[in-house]
Amino acid sequence: KQEVTQIPAALSVPEGENLVLNCSFTDSAIYNLQWFRQDPGKGLTSLLLIQSSQREQTSGRLNASLDKSSGRSTLYIAASQPGDSATYLCAVGGYNTDKLIFGTGTRLQVFP
Amino acid sequence: GAVVSQHPSRVICKSGTSVKIECRSLDFQATTMFWYRQFPKKSLMLMATSNEGSKATYEQGVEKDKFLINHASLTLSTLTVTSAHPEDSSFYICSARDSNRLGNTIYFGEGSWLTVV
Repeated sequence: KQEVTQIPAALSVPEGENLVLNCSFTDSAIYNLQWFRQDPGKGLTSLLLIQSSQREQTSGRLNASLDKSSGRSTLYIAASQPGDSATYLCAVGGYNTDKLIFGTGTRLQVFP
Repeated sequence: GAVVSQHPSRVICKSGTSVKIECRSLDFQATTMFWYRQFPKKSLMLMATSNEGSKATYEQGVEKDKFLINHASLTLSTLTVTSAHPEDSSFYICSARDSNRLGNTIYFGEGSWLTVV
């Protein structure tokens, strides 16, 4: 059974810092991995989608990497801003299914 | 871009009553939709897969008679929480994939807060 874990569970940093959020999964047979952002009480916003054949994806200040063999992904946030404060979730997708298995999330707070 | 809409966004109901939550894909067709549940400060837990024109597939531990799912059209799935109890209070969120597009981009609704009093 696939299990997805995120470390740290919570993070509080001053703005301007570069951050690394970690996601690990127990079954490396994944089809893709996605990073989402969730604001309090809101739905999910997809940030980056990495297919299993890819090593990384970049969007603006965000960079996500994927190492399937070791069961890990990282989300790198450059020059963090207070507006980045949210919960970040990673989720893995399997083959022949649209089901996503979500990680435990990292609650990020960036203070001015 | 693709949009998935949920309604209502917030609902309060009395214990013992039933409440229905709708999930609509606004500009694409979705043969499959997914229902998740999220407790406060916890991650999303997949409840069931909603299949257009057929029965939903429930995850282990989810009571199908309590959480009724109907996917009557290619753009609408409904989740009905029957005989709701306070422990059913949670954030329910749906997702859908555009059946006519390649790739695996899945779109999420804004979620529905259910409070059972």
